[in-house]
Amino acid sequence: RKEVEQDPGPFNVPEGATVAFNCTYSNSASQSFFWYRQDCRKEPKLLMSVYSSGNEDGRFTAQLNRASQYISLLIRDSKLSDSATYLCVVNTDTGRRALTFGSGTRLQVQP
Amino acid sequence: DAGVTQSPTHLIKTRGQQVTLRCSPKSGHDTVSWYQQALGQGPQFIFQYYEEEERQRGNFPDRFSGHQFPNYSSELNVNALLLGDSALYLCASSLQAAEAFFGQGTRLTVV
Repeated sequence: RKEVEQDPGPFNVPEGATVAFNCTYSNSASQSFFWYRQDCRKEPKLLMSVYSSGNEDGRFTAQLNRASQYISLLIRDSKLSDSATYLCVVNTDTGRRALTFGSGTRLQVQP
Repeated sequence: DAGVTQSPTHLIKTRGQQVTLRCSPKSGHDTVSWYQQALGQGPQFIFQYYEEEERQRGNFPDRFSGHQFPNYSSELNVNALLLGDSALYLCASSLQAAEAFFGQGTRLTVV
């Protein structure tokens, strides 16, 4: 079983749609959680950290459920520029960050 | 601030050869991590360097080795290249446990 599992997609949605991505992780000792965005043939970039209380950044909302070992990302009012691969990432150490990535979920927003 | 820079951007090598990839961390960062990203997969952690020592290592064979220099820059060496080593190699730098920033990567093709 992979440490971090995501639905690979692709998710094809129209502009303005709301889309949700889910992710599960296997290591209950995981300490930190993130969503990264990766554009085609580019490096991953941090989209947002994920906290137990849930957090929102504009059109993006992230949720963490430690009991179920489940992380989600909600994107509201999708834009064409949101088209990318979204990587679910966990960190199991308390010190410096060795990150464990999921395989990513591809989103294509269509006009 | 130049951010994380990697060289070369692209490289073609023959099976059995050796390769060295280079990374200069973001200014002020002291920790460098290396990741391998195969096509369609998320980045996989190779190892992490801090204070010129390998601090953590992922599930990669000894053919993968590295080094960190006093100026915090780092090299990744891969010996006896296999076709399966073809991937995007990403370097990430951070300061202690803060956010990791990725370089644009080196795309290695083994033929």
